[in-house]
Amino acid sequence: QVQLQESGPGLVKPSETLSLTCSVSGGSINSYFWSWIRQPAGKKLEWIGRIFASGSTYYNPSLKSRVTMSVDTSKNQVSLKLTSVTAADTAVYYCARDYDADRVFYWYFDLWGRGTLVTVSS
Amino acid sequence: DIEMTQSPSTLSASVGDRVTITCRASQSITPWLAWYQQKPGKAPKLLIYKASTLESGVPSRFSGSGSGTEFTLTISSLQPDDFATYHCQQYNSYPYTFGQGTKLEIK
Repeated sequence: QVQLQESGPGLVKPSETLSLTCSVSGGSINSYFWSWIRQPAGKKLEWIGRIFASGSTYYNPSLKSRVTMSVDTSKNQVSLKLTSVTAADTAVYYCARDYDADRVFYWYFDLWGRGTLVTVSS
Repeated sequence: DIEMTQSPSTLSASVGDRVTITCRASQSITPWLAWYQQKPGKAPKLLIYKASTLESGVPSRFSGSGSGTEFTLTISSLQPDDFATYHCQQYNSYPYTFGQGTKLEIK
């Protein structure tokens, strides 16, 4: 079955760039949207944005100025970069597959990775 | 942004109980609401989408209902495996937003 695995540094210094990769196994990333979602400790989940396999993106306006997502179809991976991080960016970061069972152009998240904790600290 | 509010934040119940969790949206999102179950250290798991459609493989004791701005998740007879945190999420419009979560604890 399709599995998602996030990877990247667990510790990032303030003002630097957070970089994470989501590796998809057991299926192709083509024909799907892929989202990044984060959850600070004790807080609600926050949707960061999504990327289609073609490379088209939509970012949460609250993070748009600092976020870049990309896709590497040859490696079956999607990536997230978040610039100028602060302690407020400390969170567990998840990648998820967007799915639209009824083909009505409304997507929910049917598969999630286990998440990776990123701490922003000097 | 659409604000999602869940109640209660914490719910204590016993095995066999029937429980209901409510999720309210700051504007109409019908029917684009999903429910997820999350256990400590694990990824969220999709339970229900389009407010009331059960994801494949999810036990039938889980059900969802509602429309407009008010939605509910009901577990008809709690099992030991159901003690977890439940999140609602709207996917009616960008940016997608989640409720703050409801932690279901063993009484």
